[in-house]
Amino acid sequence: QSALTQPASVSGSPGQSITISCTGTSSDVGGYNYVSWYQQHPGKAPKLMIYEVSNRPSGVPDRFSGSKSGNTASLTISGLQAEDEADYYCSSYTSSSIVVFGGGTKLTVL
Amino acid sequence: QVQLQESGPGLVKPSQTLSLTCTVSGGSISSGGYYWSWIRQHPGKGLEWIGYIYYSGSTYYNPSLKSRVTISVDTSKNQFSLKLSSVTAADTAVYYCARGPLGIPGSFDLWGRGTLVTVSS
Repeated sequence: QSALTQPASVSGSPGQSITISCTGTSSDVGGYNYVSWYQQHPGKAPKLMIYEVSNRPSGVPDRFSGSKSGNTASLTISGLQAEDEADYYCSSYTSSSIVVFGGGTKLTVL
Repeated sequence: QVQLQESGPGLVKPSQTLSLTCTVSGGSISSGGYYWSWIRQHPGKGLEWIGYIYYSGSTYYNPSLKSRVTISVDTSKNQFSLKLSSVTAADTAVYYCARGPLGIPGSFDLWGRGTLVTVSS
């Protein structure tokens, strides 16, 4: 099972919106609504930001939103803030009952 | 408040078996409702799912590691464990234990802090 494909880096200025894509196949992203997104600051454990494509856990700001179209899921952060600078990873459940992660995207807030 | 804490040797010799334990505090593994996972991150790299276990003992493993991995659960100690055999330098990584809600496969809502394991002679 190959890793999901994410852009290596994205950047944006404070207040702007950015979108990170996560591309898989019909056996993972496209086949299930079990896509999650994680935020990881340096030296810290990942934090769940989005689950089941578009649901936010309690405490996650509504600036974070998720969506999916076909085999590609997306994470959008609106009203970008300095503290959003981090690495972001997507994950998906697969038809083999396993989990695959994306390679990660480094978000830089300019 | 449920917390996860990894423990185990930080240094393992090549060809030996890496053994880690995750202790769950503030909640019971036996209560059900969750699956319990191991995930690793090579230095400066992305996340790699290793496998997960239900409290009943059912397991699912990453096919790329399946031949070397065993995940087990000890409900009496409220712990679950990872064993990775025949390690090489390529297994040097930060190892995380994590919890996932049953019914939302592939989602991990609680993570341990992670523990760095270095494979070196």
